[in-house]
Amino acid sequence: DSGVTQTPKHLITATGQRVTLRCSPRSGDLSVYWYQQSLDQGLQFLIQYYNGEERAKGNILERFSAQQFPDLHSELNLSSLELGDSALYFCASSVGSPGEQYFGPGTRLTVT
Amino acid sequence: KNEVEQSPQNLTAQEGEFITINCSYSVGISALHWLQQHPGGGIVSLFMLSSGKKKHGRLIATINIQEKHSSLHITASHPRDSAVYICAVGLISNFGNEKLTFGTGTRLTIIP
Repeated sequence: DSGVTQTPKHLITATGQRVTLRCSPRSGDLSVYWYQQSLDQGLQFLIQYYNGEERAKGNILERFSAQQFPDLHSELNLSSLELGDSALYFCASSVGSPGEQYFGPGTRLTVT
Repeated sequence: KNEVEQSPQNLTAQEGEFITINCSYSVGISALHWLQQHPGGGIVSLFMLSSGKKKHGRLIATINIQEKHSSLHITASHPRDSAVYICAVGLISNFGNEKLTFGTGTRLTIIP
């Protein structure tokens, strides 16, 4: 158990819908990262927050957004969902940046 | 050409064998991470290294910064080591934060 929690574990939704994925980092970790793992693209970095501020952006679509709240939990919002958004979404946390990252169990999103 | 190349893509070995997985990268990095992903999907961070060698139990990771190459070794391999091993390189952004770029992974199967 890494100490990073993600909810929900599974999510099935229809195209065009909007969903919110939630991540709670390990106690004391200030940095939260979001990743997408799809069958055809592998693991990809989406976005990083550090103590509430966006710090780095990767291949994140404009339909996706994220934020980190004062209690350090983070949410990833995915809107106007497409079939291709079906993937595993992981969050990870670290004390600082850069630093060793601890991964949550992931949220499996299926868009039908 | 991918920024991070792993070899082999698949590896099957007998229990007890010495395992080597290689990772080559083409850009300057801040650190290199080795991750393990089990069949259930969970990701565990094994090592983060920026120089030299690290050892944890039966796992050893080395990196050669000049040659842009890292290896992950497993001694006395066991069926529970069966997993996908992923190499990721950290690239520092303008604000000193790290963006990970991932290799495609090596699927390791250890046969009893």
